[in-house]
Amino acid sequence: GAVVSQHPSWVICKSGTSVKIECRSLDFQATTMFWYRQFPKQSLMLMATSNEGSKATYEQGVEKDKFLINHASLTLSTLTVTSAHPEDSSFYICSAELAGDTGELFFGEGSRLTVL
Amino acid sequence: GENVEQHPSTLSVQEGDSAVIKCTYSDSASNYFPWYKQELGKRPQLIIDIRSNVGEKKDQRIAVTLNKTAKHFSLHITETQPEDSAVYFCAASIIQGAQKLVFGQGTRLTINP
Repeated sequence: GAVVSQHPSWVICKSGTSVKIECRSLDFQATTMFWYRQFPKQSLMLMATSNEGSKATYEQGVEKDKFLINHASLTLSTLTVTSAHPEDSSFYICSAELAGDTGELFFGEGSRLTVL
Repeated sequence: GENVEQHPSTLSVQEGDSAVIKCTYSDSASNYFPWYKQELGKRPQLIIDIRSNVGEKKDQRIAVTLNKTAKHFSLHITETQPEDSAVYFCAASIIQGAQKLVFGQGTRLTINP
């Protein structure tokens, strides 16, 4: 199957700093990637849809100026949490879809962010 | 938009027994229904999926059924084993361009030896 890799797998930062998370499709090209957030013991909530070469589409309630998404190539999307606060601490997971409308999504390993 | 409801939130069964998890969805246009297994701190793993043109799909001990009229689908695990213990998520989406998965709330399944 297709492989999606995320980095870093975990990060601890101080309140007010920014953190960048990378999501790479290793063996396929992904024009679209998705960013999810998962709080402890909760479900995955879609934050935004990342489109290669264009602006990301954010879900209702997600601040686009706080969660900056850049999809500069067909294999890389980045999520930057700006001015992080403790309430931003969460598990962030990206996913990518194979071309051809198969429906199946491939998930990255996830990145656990802890903001002190 | 799509809304997916999943029940139960927790399920405990004896090893060897069957487990059933149920989901309902709201958008009649949804046509793709995957199930994911997630272990603590890990990424979700696709275990089975079904498209709206079929009513049932089976893969060894795992099966999924879909009732489009009632807008609900279910996961069935037979002959459960301790390694089946995990959190299971159902999801629904429309396969059309960039599809967005909407997840259910999750079911924590515990298999008791």
